[in-house]
Amino acid sequence: DIQMAQSPSSLSASVGDRVTITCRTSQSIASYLNWYQQKPGKAPKLLISVASSLQSGVPSRFSGSGSGTDFTLTISSLQPEDFATYYCQQSYNTPWTFGQGTKVEIK
Amino acid sequence: EVQLVQSGAEVKKPGESLKISCKGSGYSFTSYWIGWVRQMPGKGLEWMGIIFPGDSETRYSPSFRGQVTMSADKSIRTAYLQWSSLKASDSAMYYCARPYRSGSYERGGFDLWGQGTMVTVSS
Repeated sequence: DIQMAQSPSSLSASVGDRVTITCRTSQSIASYLNWYQQKPGKAPKLLISVASSLQSGVPSRFSGSGSGTDFTLTISSLQPEDFATYYCQQSYNTPWTFGQGTKVEIK
Repeated sequence: EVQLVQSGAEVKKPGESLKISCKGSGYSFTSYWIGWVRQMPGKGLEWMGIIFPGDSETRYSPSFRGQVTMSADKSIRTAYLQWSSLKASDSAMYYCARPYRSGSYERGGFDLWGQGTMVTVSS
């Protein structure tokens, strides 16, 4: 299985802050990396596919970058509704694997 | 409306069997794979496997192969996840989800999710 190392596991930030979450894979996955947002008690929501493609309806303050083994999710200006847990997920090989998650909390 | 609707929460005893469901609507059910994802309490997401309702072809994660069975009944647009003998460690939220590309799950991601089914296994 491809291993995912997501960091940090949690962070505290203020509204308006720029937030960066990283995901590193144990082998090259080209650009087959997705990012999800999950709020408490809700199903995950796909934000970004193939490393940098923003899903329809997702605010432009979210962006993704990277290829190979190193990827980044950036929130350019954190909004109150962005406090949630974020997961990366590779789909280069089955089984698809997820990062451990990054919980973004209010400072 | 395009949606996946899952069956309700279950409370079971160890050793019991269980089958939970995921009903698709608003799209061509037989054209998209349906995946299952486990989330244990307070933990992250785990990909269990995926099924193509058109012909019931399956792919299991090695971690879940032999532990669960995926199936589908295309006539009623429903996918299933079942256990023959539950363990306390099966207690978790289970999500069904649909990849964003029709006909293929490879190199994709899940853009449509069910609301989740909470399974509690306790004596």
